[in-house]
Amino acid sequence: EPEVTQTPSHQVTQMGQEVILRCVPISNHLYFYWYRQILGQKVEFLVSFYNNEISEKSEIFDDQFSVERPDGSNFTLKIRSTKLEDSAMYFCASRGLHQETQYFGPGTRLLVL
Amino acid sequence: DAKTTQPPSMDCAEGRAANLPCNHSTISGNEYVYWYRQIHSQGPQYIIHGLKNNETNEMASLIITEDRKSSTLILPHATLRDTAVYYCIVRGLSNFGNEKLTFGTGTRLTIIP
Repeated sequence: EPEVTQTPSHQVTQMGQEVILRCVPISNHLYFYWYRQILGQKVEFLVSFYNNEISEKSEIFDDQFSVERPDGSNFTLKIRSTKLEDSAMYFCASRGLHQETQYFGPGTRLLVL
Repeated sequence: DAKTTQPPSMDCAEGRAANLPCNHSTISGNEYVYWYRQIHSQGPQYIIHGLKNNETNEMASLIITEDRKSSTLILPHATLRDTAVYYCIVRGLSNFGNEKLTFGTGTRLTIIP
């Protein structure tokens, strides 16, 4: 069964450093998402992406965040200058055209020191 | 999107049916009811969704009341691997600007051996 994959599974970085989280959505899916979950808190929507542009973003998704689909398979989330409060699990999700269900990847655990 | 209310926790004996309730009294006519679950800190896993008819798949059944103000997710023969946090989410059809899934705190289901 096709699934969303994410790399790395864990990342530790120093405050102020840039990180790039990578996702490979399900093949043929056209809508892509990032969510995050701070330890012990709810899963929160960050951004949705379709046709090479952001279709919706939350207040969390400020100028420090950016998304990109650099090729036909990867979808990335970049945090330019990480802060301590960016420590969280980051989940990528995707859905297909004419489908309503979003399928999630296993997540990347980001720890900012 | 309509707000949902779920009990914070439930226990169920292994092998028995687990019935997880969800109230969504403000649901509107074009909003679907989705169920996801999250095992430990893994990515949310899609279970099932419905609009007004009852639905069944290989994982679960979804019973939606006639007035659509509440629903019940049924895991017919719960196993220890079903221990997870279960989220009931109401969302309208995806379109530009209506992409996000809004997760609440869910129900923590514990399957008892």
